[in-house]
Amino acid sequence: GENVEQHPSTLSVQEGDSAVIKCTYSDSASNYFPWYKQELGKRPQLIIDIRSNVGEKKDQRIAVTLNKTAKHFSLHITETQPEDSAVYFCAASRHTGNQFYFGTGTSLTVIP
Amino acid sequence: GAVVSQHPSRVICKSGTSVKIECRSLDFQATTMFWYRQFPKQSLMLMATSNEGSKATYEQGVEKDKFLINHASLTLSTLTVTSAHPEDSSFYICSARQLAGGFETQYFGPGTRLLVL
Repeated sequence: GENVEQHPSTLSVQEGDSAVIKCTYSDSASNYFPWYKQELGKRPQLIIDIRSNVGEKKDQRIAVTLNKTAKHFSLHITETQPEDSAVYFCAASRHTGNQFYFGTGTSLTVIP
Repeated sequence: GAVVSQHPSRVICKSGTSVKIECRSLDFQATTMFWYRQFPKQSLMLMATSNEGSKATYEQGVEKDKFLINHASLTLSTLTVTSAHPEDSSFYICSARQLAGGFETQYFGPGTRLLVL
């Protein structure tokens, strides 16, 4: 089955700086990679996703890059704000209906 | 995005009782829903995949007789924790799979915090 690894487990950045979270996956058949943001006690919210037919996707301050050859994908948050503080999860899936395999999460703290 | 509700949001029960948690997709039909368990400061652990009209598929190590799943309609799946014990205390989250534009993604419910005394 798929194995998703996520690093770092914790990340602290100064407000305004950039944050990068990296994930690797093992199943070359995975072709859908969503990122979720989870605030304490709340549900995970989809913030951005990427499919294997593209290498990069951007949505305002958030971007995701995908390297299929190396089997890794990354989340980039620029101009971080305190409200970006949360736990971020990556996931990998085959979008034919299979389950999502989640990374272990990264706790991001943005220091004002 | 799509809306998924979950009820109750919080439940406290005595050891030995059963607890039912409902997961509903409010604005779309979901043939597949997923049930996760999340311990504090940990990732989402998939417990089972719930398929409308058929038996759920359980992950290794999850007792199907203890965690009963029923997906009776395209908008509702239920998880029943039978004979709950303190070690079952956790945050249970469901998600519903939506197909849109030829692609699928998952939307999560708000979660149910279960405390077994």
